Amino acid sequence: GAGVSQTPSNKVTEKGKYVELRCDPISGHTALYWYRQSLGQGPEFLIYFQGTGAADDSGLPNDRFFAVRPEGSVSTLKIQRTERGDSAVYLCASSLTPLTSGTPNTGELFFGEGSRLTVL
Amino acid sequence: AQTVTQSQPEMSVQEAETVTLSCTYDTSESNYYLFWYKQPPSRQMILVIRQEAYKQQNATENRFSVNFQKAAKSFSLKISDSQLGDTAMYFCAFKDSNYQLIWGAGTKLIIKP
Repeated sequence: GAGVSQTPSNKVTEKGKYVELRCDPISGHTALYWYRQSLGQGPEFLIYFQGTGAADDSGLPNDRFFAVRPEGSVSTLKIQRTERGDSAVYLCASSLTPLTSGTPNTGELFFGEGSRLTVL
Repeated sequence: AQTVTQSQPEMSVQEAETVTLSCTYDTSESNYYLFWYKQPPSRQMILVIRQEAYKQQNATENRFSVNFQKAAKSFSLKISDSQLGDTAMYFCAFKDSNYQLIWGAGTKLIIKP
């Protein structure tokens, strides 16, 4: 697609339920990032994929959070046993190349519109 | 650890005025990148402007320009001839040799007609 697409746009769930959030990056972008943004704050890094593999998942807050990217394009962020504190906007971003020094596209992250998760 | 600080939670100016948003950061690195992103109510983050630390010349993009003071670790964004469409949250972000972006808490900018 023309841009990064995230679904659903909004998700309301009950505490304890399982949730999946989907990200469809720009075609050809090898790097994919998930961020979490709480109200009134900047984005917080969760996980970074290079191709199919999770190159860095150090930002995932606990083992209830998991993400996959099985074919190197679409990614799914999975949250088990949701808690009220998981309520936030989950942002996905992709880039043509990883954000490593020296690449011509350094810093050019393209974001989706996010998925707002509300846990009641 | 690197940190990014935006000290202005909210700013408001009249349309066509010039406004400056401040950002300071802390790092021991010498080579890094700084960014300003805009987040309108649609929630989509949009890159406004980028500055490489090794470049002395301040970056400009049409009505947007930065004042990069490396020694002071300051990176402010100036918006000239502000427009109603500039109303949004503005985030300052930092990147060193790592691939992660470190973000400030944001400044809410309101352009009044």
